[in-house]
Amino acid sequence: DAGVIQSPRHEVTEMGQEVTLRCKPISGHDYLFWYRQTMMRGLELLIYFNNNVPIDDSGMPEDRFSAKMPNASFSTLKIQPSEPRDSAVYFCASSLYRASDDQPQHFGDGTRLSIL
Amino acid sequence: GQNIDQPTEMTATEGAIVQINCTYQTSGFNGLFWYQQHAGEAPTFLSYNVLDGLEEKGRFSSFLSRSKGYSYLLLKELQMKDSASYLCAVDTDKLIFGTGTRLQVFP
Repeated sequence: DAGVIQSPRHEVTEMGQEVTLRCKPISGHDYLFWYRQTMMRGLELLIYFNNNVPIDDSGMPEDRFSAKMPNASFSTLKIQPSEPRDSAVYFCASSLYRASDDQPQHFGDGTRLSIL
Repeated sequence: GQNIDQPTEMTATEGAIVQINCTYQTSGFNGLFWYQQHAGEAPTFLSYNVLDGLEEKGRFSSFLSRSKGYSYLLLKELQMKDSASYLCAVDTDKLIFGTGTRLQVFP
């Protein structure tokens, strides 16, 4: 099993630019989660999908952030325009069920985003 | 509101036992997860508690008291590779994570 695949691993860009983060979940997983991790706020859920449908986007900071899941094997998180305070590590995770111990969320390696 | 508290940092000696506490006040509770995260890496699942009591998995055990809003992760026979951050997460229909406890194990 290839695990959750995220790209790019690192992104450095100037403020005002559009940033697109990509995620390929584990095949067969029905749930996909986007998280953001910073030193100050820890790991925060931004949005999650079930069967490609957004279920809870209450963690999305503002209208500059958007997420899509056009099919079961691909999701994007887009920031437009980007700001320095968006600098963080963004994780994608997937799971078969929403929460259980025998099928927990599996995290990708994350995208380390730096906005200058 | 949602509030999950963990100590920021802990230190321990190789071969020792360490207990990492987590207290929570959340609107809703379905279960509690513990994840391990090495620096620069992704979180990995350790344990999941739904009912009160102790769950043991090898060197790691996790305890839950729902009435007290309290959990702990117990690590026995500490090894250098256990140096990592340990994240407590409450399932309230979505996972709410604490800011994590950074554990350093010294020889």
